[in-house]
Amino acid sequence: EPEVTQTPSHQVTQMGQEVILRCVPISNHLYFYWYRQILGQKVEFLVSFYNNEISEKSEIFDDQFSVERPDGSNFTLKIRSTKLEDSAMYFCASRGQGGHGYTFGSGTRLTVV
Amino acid sequence: KNEVEQSPQNLTAQEGEFITINCSYSVGISALHWLQQHPGGGIVSLFMLSSGKKKHGRLIATINIQEKHSSLHITASHPRDSAVYICAGMNYGGATNKLIFGTGTLLAVQP
Repeated sequence: EPEVTQTPSHQVTQMGQEVILRCVPISNHLYFYWYRQILGQKVEFLVSFYNNEISEKSEIFDDQFSVERPDGSNFTLKIRSTKLEDSAMYFCASRGQGGHGYTFGSGTRLTVV
Repeated sequence: KNEVEQSPQNLTAQEGEFITINCSYSVGISALHWLQQHPGGGIVSLFMLSSGKKKHGRLIATINIQEKHSSLHITASHPRDSAVYICAGMNYGGATNKLIFGTGTLLAVQP
């Protein structure tokens, strides 16, 4: 069964460092998402991406965050200068047309120290 | 504001019991996803519903659009069903179809 692949599974970084979280969505999907889940809290929407541009972003997705689909297969989330409060599990998701086929990756656990 | 409320937050059941998890949602949400999250953290989509009822194995999901309420039922529960079950609302047909998540129900099925 097709799956969304995320790397790394766990990343530890120093406060102020840049991190790039990587995702390979399902190949024929058109819509891509990043969500995050702070430990003990519910999953929150960060950003959606369609047709090579951001289609919607949340208040969390400030200037420190950016997304890119550099080569038609990878979908990346960059955090320019990490803060302690960026520590969370970050999930990539993709879907095809309509609401069906929403598929999540297994997540990247980011720890900022 | 689109919101999703889930209950109960925690549920402990004995193996074999019939389990129900409830989800209420606000105006603006036109479809519901039921998701499963295991302790490792990964999220698996179980169902997407915009009307009626869906069944997959021992899992049944129903939605009442007028009452803006959905339920997930597990029949003949088993310890391997232990996980967090999350409902997430979506504005089906909206520009982005982002998901708005409930807080999740932590289910523990004891042998």
